[in-house]
Amino acid sequence: AQKVTQAQTEISVVEKEDVTLDCVYETRDTTYYLFWYKQPPSGELVFLIRRNSFDEQNEISGRYSWNFQKSTSSFNFTITASQVVDSAVYFCALSEVWGQNFVFGPGTRLSVLP
Amino acid sequence: NAGVTQTPKFRILKIGQSMTLQCTQDMNHNYMYWYRQDPGMGLKLIYYSVGAGITDKGEVPNGYNVSRSTTEDFPLRLELAAPSQTSVYFCASSGGQGLGTEAFFGQGTRLTVV
Repeated sequence: AQKVTQAQTEISVVEKEDVTLDCVYETRDTTYYLFWYKQPPSGELVFLIRRNSFDEQNEISGRYSWNFQKSTSSFNFTITASQVVDSAVYFCALSEVWGQNFVFGPGTRLSVLP
Repeated sequence: NAGVTQTPKFRILKIGQSMTLQCTQDMNHNYMYWYRQDPGMGLKLIYYSVGAGITDKGEVPNGYNVSRSTTEDFPLRLELAAPSQTSVYFCASSGGQGLGTEAFFGQGTRLTVV
């Protein structure tokens, strides 16, 4: 069975602080994909990154970075020097290559205060 | 490129009424999904389809029906609306789990049942 856990329900930080959002997943498949989505207050779901299970290289995109560790089944997301515009709900998701849908975590609500 | 288009964006229904949420995609994706997002919660899968003529239940299918007569369209039907169906509904599509592509989401339909 596939499952995604985001233990942090809400996080508040002050602007310019770094913040890490945790994601832990469960799957029996050896081939799978992990995703992060952002849902700003306007409500749409914005795709941020995709990672496959064979690629454990960390990735950096501007102020965003992702740390994928198969040994701990984690795919954490770090925002460096956070900004007010980063305030949103962030969802981690899992897709198994032999599965038929995406499983989402419950989301982490990030509030960046000025 | 329109992507995934949902209509309507907002709707208020009275208890017992029925309605159809429309979803169409222009990316020639085989896989389509309907999720609901209750206030402050994550995404729950209602129904999904892996191709025209094929649909299957997700986690919370009760009170809903779907059809998939074409690759492009995946309407969601609510019969006998109930207050518990007050939610934001998202339609999504993807190239398929085997390809590892992300899910593309529509803008969402905010439904209130009174």
